[in-house]
Amino acid sequence: GENVEQHPSTLSVQEGDSAVIKCTYSDSASNYFPWYKQELGKRPQLIIDIRSNVGEKKDQRIAVTLNKTAKHFSLHITETQPEDSAVYFCAALNQAGTALIFGKGTTLSVSS
Amino acid sequence: GAVVSQHPSRVICKSGTSVKIECRSLDFQATTMFWYRQFPKKSLMLMATSNEGSKATYEQGVEKDKFLINHASLTLSTLTVTSAHPEDSSFYICSASGTGTTGELFFGEGSRLTVL
Repeated sequence: GENVEQHPSTLSVQEGDSAVIKCTYSDSASNYFPWYKQELGKRPQLIIDIRSNVGEKKDQRIAVTLNKTAKHFSLHITETQPEDSAVYFCAALNQAGTALIFGKGTTLSVSS
Repeated sequence: GAVVSQHPSRVICKSGTSVKIECRSLDFQATTMFWYRQFPKKSLMLMATSNEGSKATYEQGVEKDKFLINHASLTLSTLTVTSAHPEDSSFYICSASGTGTTGELFFGEGSRLTVL
C-alpha cells in the first residue's frame, strides 16, 4: 500500500525565516497531496493541497511543490511567525483513491 | 468548509466497558468516513474506512471485533471500542469526505479516550 515518509520530524526556526518540510510517497498512482496543520489538542486543518496535474501551488506565505517523477512533494512556509508553530502532516491518497495516508508529522517551532 | 462534529470530546471509562464515539457531518453528506487513531506526538494512523450502508474496511492490524464501526446514514458514523483496556487509551479522530470531493478530508474535533 501507500507509504508516506516525512522529514524532518522537528524543525526550529527564527521568526521571519523560511521553513521547508519534505515528503516522499511510494504509489505512483497517487494524485492528491494535502498538507494539514495540527495545533495541540485540536483537529488537523487543511492548509494547502496539490493535485498531480500541477507542479506548484501558492497561497500567501505557504507553497507546495510536487515532483511526480521523483515522487516527492514539499511544503514551504516563508516569513514564519510564532503562530505557525504546530505539527504539520503531509498526506497522499492511497492506491485505491479511497483514503489519505499520513506522514509522521513535523513539529515546527518558530521562536521570536 | 464542511463541518464534521465528533462526540464525546473526552471520555474516561473503566477497563472492560465499551465506549461509543459518534461522528457526524453537519452540512454535507459523507459518503465515506475514516477513523484515525493518534498517539501523543505521533501521526494519524488510519484504522478503517467506512462507506454508508456497507461494512467498514479495516487496516491491517486493526481488530474488527475490538473496534466496531457503523455507518448507518450519510451523516453519521460510530466507532465503538469494545471491552476497552488501558492500551486502548488514545486520541480517536474521524474524518469525512463528501460527494463531489476528491480526497479532501474534513476532520472532527477528536475524542480522547482514557481507560482506567
